[in-house]
Amino acid sequence: DIQMTQSPSSLSASVGDRVTITCQANQDISKSLNWYQQKPGKAPRLLISGASILETGVPSRFSGSGSGTDFTFSISSLQPEDIATYYCQLYDNFPTFGQGTRLEIK
Amino acid sequence: QITLNESGPTLVKPTQTVTLTCTFSGFSLNTHGVGVGWIRQPPGKALEWLTLIFWDDHKRYSPSLESRLAITKDTSKNQVVLTMSNMDPVDTATYYCTRYRIVSSSTEKFDHWGQGSLVTVSS
Repeated sequence: DIQMTQSPSSLSASVGDRVTITCQANQDISKSLNWYQQKPGKAPRLLISGASILETGVPSRFSGSGSGTDFTFSISSLQPEDIATYYCQLYDNFPTFGQGTRLEIK
Repeated sequence: QITLNESGPTLVKPTQTVTLTCTFSGFSLNTHGVGVGWIRQPPGKALEWLTLIFWDDHKRYSPSLESRLAITKDTSKNQVVLTMSNMDPVDTATYYCTRYRIVSSSTEKFDHWGQGSLVTVSS
């Protein structure tokens, strides 16, 4: 089975900051990685698929990059409404979610 | 507009079998590349994928839970049913129904989610 390591587990940043979250797979998964946002008490929302494809309606301050084993999710300028937990998810033989990154405002 | 709604019991006893139903609209499970999946989330913990069923009735299960899970579809009713046997308190979680799309050989995604259904396992 392919294992995912997502880091950090939590992050505190100020409004306007650039925020970066990483996911690392222990095998080459090409670009088979998605990113989700989950606000408290809500269902997750797909933000980015195929490592870097922004879903329709998602603000352009969100971005994703990477391929192979190392992936990055970024928010270029943190907004108050971005407070959430973010998950990466790979798909190989079956889907696997990362452990999540809880993002807070400093 | 695509919607998915989970329904089922909110409280089950240990060792019981739980049946959850996902009723969806706005898409067809007869469409090539489309699937419906179940994902759960224990309180305060991460998301865990459970199972998927596809337009061609192909099914995938989490290896760690496969012996306890069964997924079926009724395309005439736009419903997918999950059964999970031998429930334990550690199975207490919010269970989400999701649409899954295979867009290309390199892109697959859970692109629409239900609001989730909390199932508590307690005697």
